[in-house]
Amino acid sequence: EPEVTQTPSHQVTQMGQEVILRCVPISNHLYFYWYRQILGQKVEFLVSFYNNEISEKSEIFDDQFSVERPDGSNFTLKIRSTKLEDSAMYFCASRVERGAYEQYFGPGTRLTVT
Amino acid sequence: AQKVTQAQTEISVVEKEDVTLDCVYETRDTTYYLFWYKQPPSGELVFLIRRNSFDEQNEISGRYSWNFQKSTSSFNFTITASQVVDSAVYFCAGSNAGNMLTFGGGTRLMVKP
Repeated sequence: EPEVTQTPSHQVTQMGQEVILRCVPISNHLYFYWYRQILGQKVEFLVSFYNNEISEKSEIFDDQFSVERPDGSNFTLKIRSTKLEDSAMYFCASRVERGAYEQYFGPGTRLTVT
Repeated sequence: AQKVTQAQTEISVVEKEDVTLDCVYETRDTTYYLFWYKQPPSGELVFLIRRNSFDEQNEISGRYSWNFQKSTSSFNFTITASQVVDSAVYFCAGSNAGNMLTFGGGTRLMVKP
């Protein structure tokens, strides 16, 4: 069964450093998403991406964040200058374009900023 | 703006008991989509079910069943004869345009042997 994959599973970085989180969505899916979950809290939407551009973003997704689909398979989230409060689990998700609206999530990347 | 409320933060049951997880979705839109996801201790988010606002038919899948009532905006999830493997955090989520998901705070279900 096709699945969303994410790398790395765990990333530790120092405050102020740039990080790139990588995702490979399910191959025939056309909508891509990033969410985050601070430990013990609910899952929060960051950004959605369709047709090579951002279609929606939340207040959390400020200028420190960017997304990119550098090729036909990868979808990345970049945090330019990490802060302590960026420590969280970051989930990538994807869905097909029409008909079904459920999003399928990857296993997540745990980001720890020290 | 949408809001998803899961009033139960934590539920503890003994194996084989039935348990119902509550969810209320608030939105001004008449067309919306509701979802349930399971987050086991390993941390991933597993899609369980999607329901459209214009379809109030209840659904059963094995030990799982879902009851959607548009009049009260509730989308409740029942596990029949719970098992230890059902222990997880369950998230209800909603989407108005089929795009971003708004999640509830989650209900932690603990099933004891």
